[in-house]
Amino acid sequence: GENVEQHPSTLSVQEGDSAVIKCTYSDSASNYFPWYKQELGKRPQLIIDIRSNVGEKKDQRIAVTLNKTAKHFSLHITETQPEDSAVYFCAASTRGGSNYKLTFGKGTLLTVNP
Amino acid sequence: NAGVTQTPKFRILKIGQSMTLQCTQDMNHNYMYWYRQDPGMGLKLIYYSVGAGITDKGEVPNGYNVSRSTTEDFPLRLELAAPSQTSVYFCASTTLDGRANYGYTFGSGTRLTVV
Repeated sequence: GENVEQHPSTLSVQEGDSAVIKCTYSDSASNYFPWYKQELGKRPQLIIDIRSNVGEKKDQRIAVTLNKTAKHFSLHITETQPEDSAVYFCAASTRGGSNYKLTFGKGTLLTVNP
Repeated sequence: NAGVTQTPKFRILKIGQSMTLQCTQDMNHNYMYWYRQDPGMGLKLIYYSVGAGITDKGEVPNGYNVSRSTTEDFPLRLELAAPSQTSVYFCASTTLDGRANYGYTFGSGTRLTVV
């Protein structure tokens, strides 16, 4: 089955700096890679996703890059703000079928210091 | 749309008691999932369902049971609660179509403590 590794497990940055979280996956058939943000005591919420036919996707201060050859993808947050502090999870999945499910990384605790 | 609704939000159980965590979605999603999240840890899949009448085990199914009699509902049953089942439980759902797959929509979670 799919295995997703996520690094680092904790990340502390100063407000205004950039933050990068990296994930690798094992199944070359995986084709969908979402990122979730989970604030303390809240549910995970989808913040951005990328499909295997795209190399990069941006949404304001957030971007995700995908390298299919190396089987890794990364989340980039620019101009970080205190409200970006949360746990971030990456995930990977294969297309459809009776066994469709996301495999999650273990999460990265991001702390943005004012 | 209410999305994915979980009840209860909090529950304290005594060792050996049983309970059902409720999950319902109003998005007509065919795929539904139950995850548990231990403090400071990631999400572990307990059970999932690809449609009414079809369920399958995830990575940590022991001590739990599920059923899926309708598209909307996917209850999780805990029999003989143990302290190791103290966790936050999230239900999630998604849909697939012929063009693409999509991320999950999560419920707000159930915080369960077994004492």
